[in-house]
Amino acid sequence: QVQLVESGGGVVQPGGSLRLSCVASGITFSSYGMHWVRQVPGKSLEWVAFIRKDGSSQNYADFVRGRFIISRDNSKDTLFLQMNTVRPEDTAVYFCANDSGSRIFDSWGQGTLVTVAS
Amino acid sequence: DIVLTQSPATLSVSPGERAALSCRASQSIGINLAWYQQKRGQAPSLLMYGASKRATGIPARFSGSGSGTEFTLTISSLQSEDFAVYYCQQYNQWPPITFGQGTRLEIK
Repeated sequence: QVQLVESGGGVVQPGGSLRLSCVASGITFSSYGMHWVRQVPGKSLEWVAFIRKDGSSQNYADFVRGRFIISRDNSKDTLFLQMNTVRPEDTAVYFCANDSGSRIFDSWGQGTLVTVAS
Repeated sequence: DIVLTQSPATLSVSPGERAALSCRASQSIGINLAWYQQKRGQAPSLLMYGASKRATGIPARFSGSGSGTEFTLTISSLQSEDFAVYYCQQYNQWPPITFGQGTRLEIK
């Protein structure tokens, strides 16, 4: 059974940095592209970033490009999201999800809450 | 960017009845549409993809239809566990991958 477990969320000041992690089990992690998706509580879902299975390519939503970096360590079955120069509007639950191969979100983690506030 | 518009925002249906949820795309996306279910306090889970294909383990009372710009998720006989928020998502043209704003299915 696929399990994705996010961690690293918390409270961060505007302009600060935070690094999220997502550890995968029950899948061959290196065979899957991976995504980060976020959700402001009570609101819809927003795709944030995607990384190919070998880490060779990344894609970002416009609202995080240049501030966030998605990366992965296939030797540790772990996905990362480095969040820099955070803004209050980045406050959300951040989910990791594996890609089915067609930009469909196959399985999701339980999410980690990031709060940007002074 | 492709905008997905879901309607209605909230749908009130009695258990055992049928529910139809709509998703409209701002431009044609073929059949590159997925549906997700999100229960309160949980992560979303994949229901449908390719507009009409059920994901693994999804019961047959869930069906999807449509192509181009108009799509429908139908739940034929609502069970208590089906009351949740449903999101559509397009993967035809990306980045960005986009979601609809969601339809809340509540017990009448």
